[in-house]
Amino acid sequence: NAGVTQTPKFQVLKTGQSMTLQCAQDMNHNSMYWYRQDPGMGLRLIYYSASEGTTDKGEVPNGYNVSRLNKREFSLRLESAAPSQTSVYFCASSEQTDQPQHFGDGTRLSIL
Amino acid sequence: RKEVEQDPGPFNVPEGATVAFNCTYSNSASQSFFWYRQDCRKEPKLLMSVYSSGNEDGRFTAQLNRASQYISLLIRDSKLSDSATYLCVVNTRDNYGQNFVFGPGTRLSVLP
Repeated sequence: NAGVTQTPKFQVLKTGQSMTLQCAQDMNHNSMYWYRQDPGMGLRLIYYSASEGTTDKGEVPNGYNVSRLNKREFSLRLESAAPSQTSVYFCASSEQTDQPQHFGDGTRLSIL
Repeated sequence: RKEVEQDPGPFNVPEGATVAFNCTYSNSASQSFFWYRQDCRKEPKLLMSVYSSGNEDGRFTAQLNRASQYISLLIRDSKLSDSATYLCVVNTRDNYGQNFVFGPGTRLSVLP
């Protein structure tokens, strides 16, 4: 049982490049989330999807877009990467939005 | 005032000690509460949900005080394996949607 799977695990980009972080869950959860974690800042919610077909902004959505492709998959896209987006990105899922979240291993993203 | 605040830490305690972490939240409409632990360079993992009546899981006890907007986590008989960062999480639903807020975390080191 894989739980929440994120790809890639590591990525280095140049400023202005674009990329998509992939996330998939096999727990049949309705809700999915993207967070970033920076030293001294804790985890901050970027976007979430309460259920298939819906997405909503979190605390720090600027510079990102998301797609809830189906119930299993929720992707995060950086259209034009900036050094300020260097961070560790975590995807999570839960049965419903008020239930505990289960996290993927994270993607370590560096933007030069 | 930050939405979720935790003891700044770090806490360095000997094996077998009892240690308590505190967390305060600012939004009185907050609905659900959790404690997570995060090991260095790993993803957060659910430790326990926090219920209004308080709850216990082995050596761990969580308490919620809605009137004071305060959550606590007590760890008894500390083990070396308890060394981690402990994150308080508060979930609120308001007119703007769902908001999941992680505290900055309190680092615990259990010493032999």
